[in-house]
Amino acid sequence: EVQLVESGGGLVQPGRSLRLSCAASGFTFDDYAMHWVRQVPGKGLEWVSGISWNSDTIVYADSVKGRFIISRDNAKNSLYVQLNSLRPEDTAFYYCVKDSWQHLVHPTLDYWGQGTLVTVSS
Amino acid sequence: DIQVTQSPSSLSASVGDRVTITCRASQSISSYLNWYQRKPGKAPKLLVYAASILRSGVPSRFSGSESGTDFTLTINSLQPEDFATYYCQQSFSSPWTFGQGTKVEIK
Repeated sequence: EVQLVESGGGLVQPGRSLRLSCAASGFTFDDYAMHWVRQVPGKGLEWVSGISWNSDTIVYADSVKGRFIISRDNAKNSLYVQLNSLRPEDTAFYYCVKDSWQHLVHPTLDYWGQGTLVTVSS
Repeated sequence: DIQVTQSPSSLSASVGDRVTITCRASQSISSYLNWYQRKPGKAPKLLVYAASILRSGVPSRFSGSESGTDFTLTINSLQPEDFATYYCQQSFSSPWTFGQGTKVEIK
């Protein structure tokens, strides 16, 4: 059974940083691209960032480019995102999502974690 | 960026009804359109990918279709477990944008 478990969320002040982690199990982690998707409570889904199976290709949404850094450790079956220079509008649930494909080409997001809440507030 | 406009934002329907949800892309995206179901407190679930391919294990009352830049998710004979929010997502080009969501509520 595929499992994606996020951790690292919490309350953080504007301008500060936070690192989210995702522990993956139930599939061959280094065979698939991975993504972070976020959802402001009560609002829609926003794709944030994606990383190919071997980290060769990394893509960001414009809203987080230059502030967020996605990475993965295939030896640890883990996905990460470093959230820097956080803003109140970054407040959201952050979901770790598995892609159906190895490469970041036409992502099909086939498994999602339960999410971790990041609240940016003074 | 490719915009995806989803409609309606919400609808009320009864068990047994046929429901249709539409997404319109701002430009051609070939068949690169996926549909997801989201229930409160649960992770989103992939239903349909590549516009019309039903994911394994998804009930056959769900179907997807396309006509140019318009894409439709149809639920035939709505069941109690289908009351949820549905999202489309274009996977043609980055940033891979989602529609605004359609909340399907019980009439």
